Amino acid sequence: KNEVEQSPQNLTAQEGEFITINCSYSVGISALHWLQQHPGGGIVSLFMLSSGKKKHGRLIATINIQEKHSSLHITASHPRDSAVYICAVSGAGSEKLVFGKGMKLTVNP
Amino acid sequence: DTGVSQNPRHKITKRGQNVTFRCDPISEHNRLYWYRQTLGQGPEFLTYFQNEAQLEKSRLLSDRFSAERPKGSFSTLEIQRTEQGDSAMYLCASSRDRAYNEQFFGPGTRLTVL
Repeated sequence: KNEVEQSPQNLTAQEGEFITINCSYSVGISALHWLQQHPGGGIVSLFMLSSGKKKHGRLIATINIQEKHSSLHITASHPRDSAVYICAVSGAGSEKLVFGKGMKLTVNP
Repeated sequence: DTGVSQNPRHKITKRGQNVTFRCDPISEHNRLYWYRQTLGQGPEFLTYFQNEAQLEKSRLLSDRFSAERPKGSFSTLEIQRTEQGDSAMYLCASSRDRAYNEQFFGPGTRLTVL
């Protein structure tokens, strides 16, 4: 079993829909990261959080430490949100990131 | 542009050849990380440096792989006697000198071993 699991693995949505991407982890962590990867490889950090909730524009990230679960929400989705969204964790006592497989999101106009 | 840069962006080589990749981190970042990503998978940790010290290495980093950061600035990742299984995207990231900081990623070097 992977230490970081994401669901769903693929998602196709229509422009304007509310989207939720889930991440579960099985290890103790110091922080959880949500990352966005566009075709061609570039990875951009969206959020780093260790508790509660963070919001940036149309993106909201939440984490429940007790349940070892995080969600990334996209409100009013747009075709430019189409990308792979990756959840990663910094384990307790280690700075390396352990990544999920990512979720490919396609938003159709 | 003051982001993380990687060179080359693409490398095609024949099996058995040696290859070297370079990563230039953001200038004030003391931590530098190497990751490898194969098609359809999330990245996997290879190694990380704090300044010039290599502090952690993955079991994925076989004896054919070596990484250096000689002056605590840029880093190189060398793969000797490349194998087809080494074909992947090699990603570099850097972060400030505080634990558990946000990591900033470079564009990656895509290696194809024929």
